[in-house]
Amino acid sequence: GAVVSQHPSRVICKSGTSVKIECRSLDFQATTMFWYRQFPKKSLMLMATSNEGSKATYEQGVEKDKFLINHASLTLSTLTVTSAHPEDSSFYICSASDTPGKLFFGSGTQLSVL
Amino acid sequence: QKEVEQDPGPLSVPEGAIVSLNCTYSNSAFQYFMWYRQYSRKGPELLMYTYSSGNKEDGRFTAQVDKSSKYISLFIRDSQPSDSATYLCAMSYNTDKLIFGTGTRLQVFP
Repeated sequence: GAVVSQHPSRVICKSGTSVKIECRSLDFQATTMFWYRQFPKKSLMLMATSNEGSKATYEQGVEKDKFLINHASLTLSTLTVTSAHPEDSSFYICSASDTPGKLFFGSGTQLSVL
Repeated sequence: QKEVEQDPGPLSVPEGAIVSLNCTYSNSAFQYFMWYRQYSRKGPELLMYTYSSGNKEDGRFTAQVDKSSKYISLFIRDSQPSDSATYLCAMSYNTDKLIFGTGTRLQVFP
């Protein structure tokens, strides 16, 4: 299957700092990527849809200014958590599709804000 | 009513057992059906992908879709301790936006 690479796998930061997470499609081009958030023992919650060359589409309740998404190329999308606070601590996962309806996920990033 | 319902488990079975995981859904517009396996603190791994009613087999895994009953299943034969994980069903309309079930935690003990 298609490979989606996500970095870093784990990040610990101080409250008030910004953190950038990268998501790359390694063997295919992705005009659309998706960013999810997952709390312990819970299912995935879609945060936003990242569109190459245009603004991201955010799900209801997700703060656009808090979670900045940039999809600068067909193989790279980034999620920046700005002015992170402890409540932003979570597992963030990106995904991309090479076939309609068929999503492949990155390995995830565990964010811990102290 | 949630669009996709999945029993969260946990489901505990002995090694070698046949495991049956199920999801029901309410929207007949869903066209694509998937099963993902997720280990703790890892991204979901795509196991099965189908877009029609019927069965699809891949090794020890069989995915079953019954669109008339709005019901999908994943069967795991000869289960192994390495199969211990959370299994997520997912569905989509004619887009890449997936609707996930809550996930079923499976524990296979030796």
